[in-house]
Amino acid sequence: AQSVAQPEDQVNVAEGNPLTVKCTYSVSGNPYLFWYVQYPNRGLQFLLKYITGDNLVKGSYGFEAEFNKSQTSFHLKKPSALVSDSALYFCAALERDDKIIFGKGTRLHILP
Amino acid sequence: DVKVTQSSRYLVKRTGEKVFLECVQDMDHENMFWYRQDPGLGLRLIYFSYDVKMKEKGDIPEGYSVSREKKERFSLILESASTNQTSMYLCASSGTGFGGYTFGSGTRLTVV
Repeated sequence: AQSVAQPEDQVNVAEGNPLTVKCTYSVSGNPYLFWYVQYPNRGLQFLLKYITGDNLVKGSYGFEAEFNKSQTSFHLKKPSALVSDSALYFCAALERDDKIIFGKGTRLHILP
Repeated sequence: DVKVTQSSRYLVKRTGEKVFLECVQDMDHENMFWYRQDPGLGLRLIYFSYDVKMKEKGDIPEGYSVSREKKERFSLILESASTNQTSMYLCASSGTGFGGYTFGSGTRLTVV
């Protein structure tokens, strides 16, 4: 079965430090991968996607993600965290027929 | 930008009521989805639709039905609301290709 895993329920990072939110995937064929962010009581907002090409994908709000085919990973990164980055982050993969499967989410806390 | 609008941000309904959650998108997207989001469970797909008058069951369709009479509108119906349907409900839409989903702001439903 195809799946997306986010191994950490919560990640704590000090403001100004680099952050990483981990994601691994298991899909058939070429993976199409996404990151979304959710602020309290809001819907999910698109951050970035990997379809093909460069393994380092740049997205909104200074975020980037690194695609690693051999490790089947798609980790979200940011060089310097802001308190306003505190939110719930979802990794996702295109399953088939435009259906997307989501990880369970990782709550990111940026400590001032 | 694509906009997905959910008619209510917060709803409180009584057990046994019939509840309608409305979702409208303004970018002529073919695909529309309804998810519920619960802490620790991530996003779970209830129903989806690839075209007008078409619907397919997702992972947790029990207790729900949907209607898509027009391309832009996808309604989720709780035939007889129960307390275990208290949740955040998220609507999303997508076009053809690999653009990912656009989400509405969500409806937080409380069934008492």
